[in-house]
Amino acid sequence: EIVLTQSPGTLSLSPGERATLSCRASQSVSSSYLVWYQQKPGQAPRLLIYGTSSRATGIPDRFSGSGSGTDFTLTINRLEPEDFAVYYCQQYGTSPRYTFGQGTKLEIK
Amino acid sequence: EVQLVESGGVSVQPGGSLRLSCAASGFPFSDYAMNWVRQAPGKGLEWVSYISPGTSSSTYYADSVKGRFTISRDNAKNSLYLQMNSLRDEDTAVYFCARDIADCSGGTCHEIRFDHWGRGTLVTVSS
Repeated sequence: EIVLTQSPGTLSLSPGERATLSCRASQSVSSSYLVWYQQKPGQAPRLLIYGTSSRATGIPDRFSGSGSGTDFTLTINRLEPEDFAVYYCQQYGTSPRYTFGQGTKLEIK
Repeated sequence: EVQLVESGGVSVQPGGSLRLSCAASGFPFSDYAMNWVRQAPGKGLEWVSYISPGTSSSTYYADSVKGRFTISRDNAKNSLYLQMNSLRDEDTAVYFCARDIADCSGGTCHEIRFDHWGRGTLVTVSS
C-alpha cells in the first residue's frame, strides 16, 4: 500500500504570499495519477489539480502542481482570502485503489 | 449541470445496517465510474469504494469496509448506493459520492480524478 504523507500539517501565511505544500509517497507514483483537492469547512472537496500539473476547469492559474516519483508539490501564488482551506493529495494505485494524504491546513497568519 | 445528492444518513446502533443513496443528474450516469469517500469528524478523507461504469460493474473496497459494505448502481434510476452492514463506531463519518473520470485509450487510463462531489450525508454509529 502506498502511503501519502503531506507536510506541513498546518501552514500559516498572509494573503499575497506564496504557499508550498508537499505530498510525499512511500513508493513511486505515476505522475498521471497524482491529484490535489481543496476542502473548505462544511463543504465537499473540490478538484484542483490532476495528473500532477493539470488544472481542473475553473481553477485559477495561481494554483500549480509539480513533481515526480515520490515527491509532489502544490504551489499557490499570491494567496487570496478564499484560498485558506485544507488541501489533500490523492493517488490511484492497486490495493487500495485510491489513497489520500492526511491533509495540510492552510490558515491565515 | 452535474449534480450529486446523497441521502440516507442517520444515527444507528453498532451492528446495525444502513443504505446510502446518491442521486445523479446532469450527465450520462451509466458512462461513469463512481466512488464513495468518507470523512470522520475532524479527520481527513478516506476512500471507501469504487464501482465501474456500465452494467457488468467491477467493484473495489477499502480494507476497512471489505465484507461489510456493498456498492451498487441502478443506471435506470441514475443512482448509486452503499449498503452498510455490521456498522462500527469507527464508521461514523460524512459519506460523499464522487464521480470518477479519466482519460482512457487502448485499455489504459490516465489522469484519473474525482471531478464532482456531492455535499455528503452524515452517518453516526453510536449506542
